Amino acid sequence: NAGVMQNPRHLVRRRGQEARLRCSPMKGHSHVYWYRQLPEEGLKFMVYLQKENIIDESGMPKERFSAEFPKEGPSILRIQQVVRGDSAAYFCASSPDRRFEQYFGPGTRLTVT
Amino acid sequence: AQKVTQAQTEISVVEKEDVTLDCVYETRDTTYYLFWYKQPPSGELVFLIRRNSFDEQNEISGRYSWNFQKSTSSFNFTITASQVVDSAVYFCALSFDSGNTPLVFGKGTRLSVIA
Repeated sequence: NAGVMQNPRHLVRRRGQEARLRCSPMKGHSHVYWYRQLPEEGLKFMVYLQKENIIDESGMPKERFSAEFPKEGPSILRIQQVVRGDSAAYFCASSPDRRFEQYFGPGTRLTVT
Repeated sequence: AQKVTQAQTEISVVEKEDVTLDCVYETRDTTYYLFWYKQPPSGELVFLIRRNSFDEQNEISGRYSWNFQKSTSSFNFTITASQVVDSAVYFCALSFDSGNTPLVFGKGTRLSVIA
């Protein structure tokens, strides 16, 4: 059973460009979560999705950030007009139920130059 | 409030020493779940254990053991005979039945095991 897949693993964008991060959950998992981790800091929850629905986006900045988890295909975290402060590792996790353990992908390291 | 506190920001031990990582949680729910994750220097997050609020039995897995005490709202993690490969950031986390909020993470404890 393949784990959570994230791509790309590393992404470099210039200020003002768009970043699209992809996450394919584990087979059988319909709950997807996105986290951001700044260097030397803990995980900050961004958004929780369950197939086609955003359940909780309380951790996501109101502007420039959006997330989706379509019926078919991976979950996408989209950051428009990136700024240097968006440089971080973005982790995706999935679970079969929101109360249970989440399995994490390897992360996408975004660098904004 | 639903909250996880890992008061130890960084710990350094010499190889073969035992080390305990503290985790204190707050929740109003009677049914909840506690977790530990490991993040080694390579960066990935590895799930270690899940414990539900009705099961206070301690758990041992090799050199790892977990002590869950509801009376003190703690879920501490002990590594026996630590090894250099145990060097990582360890996160404690909490989830609950009510509402929609998924895992609430502590800020993590960075463990350095020195040879």
